Amino acid sequence: DAGVTQSPTHLIKTRGQQVTLRCSPKSGHDTVSWYQQALGQGPQFIFQYYEEEERQRGNFPDRFSGHQFPNYSSELNVNALLLGDSALYLCASSFLGQARGYTFGSGTRLTVV
Amino acid sequence: EDQVTQSPEALRLQEGESSSLNCSYTVSGLRGLFWYRQDPGKGPEFLFTLYSAGEEKEKERLKATLTKKESFLHITAPKPEDSATYLCAVGDNNDMRFGAGTRLTVKP
Repeated sequence: DAGVTQSPTHLIKTRGQQVTLRCSPKSGHDTVSWYQQALGQGPQFIFQYYEEEERQRGNFPDRFSGHQFPNYSSELNVNALLLGDSALYLCASSFLGQARGYTFGSGTRLTVV
Repeated sequence: EDQVTQSPEALRLQEGESSSLNCSYTVSGLRGLFWYRQDPGKGPEFLFTLYSAGEEKEKERLKATLTKKESFLHITAPKPEDSATYLCAVGDNNDMRFGAGTRLTVKP
């Protein structure tokens, strides 16, 4: 049973560029949440997608946007990259309404130079 | 807004030396309290969910407990393989907010 798959695993981008990160949720899960984790910090909630719509959003600027596809996979897009966007980006999947914890992927390490 | 504070930031133990990690929280209404383990360069791995004060969950050398204001993760006779960052979170599957974590090192 495949867990959450994220790609790419590592990425280096230049300030001002745009980046797209991808996530395939665990089989049977319909909800995808994205988190940003800076070094030495806990994960910070970016947003959550269900039924191809953004359900919840954390305190992140509009430069951060996302999408969910009919097969439940998801993308996170970040425009106009800043040095401070360097972090581990985590995708978590779950089944809406099921009272259990998330299943996380291993993350994408984004470095902005 | 929900807030989660974990202490200590880092903890170093000798193998076999039991201890506890603390997670204090401020929420308008607790929907769930979650513990995760995170190894370096990996995503968090789910350990426990607690829902009401007095609830306890156990898994191998780990036991999580919950009061109205905080949760403890007790580690009994830890081994080097228990070294990791332990994250606490509050919320539910609609919205989960994390603390900064406690980085645990167990020395042989």
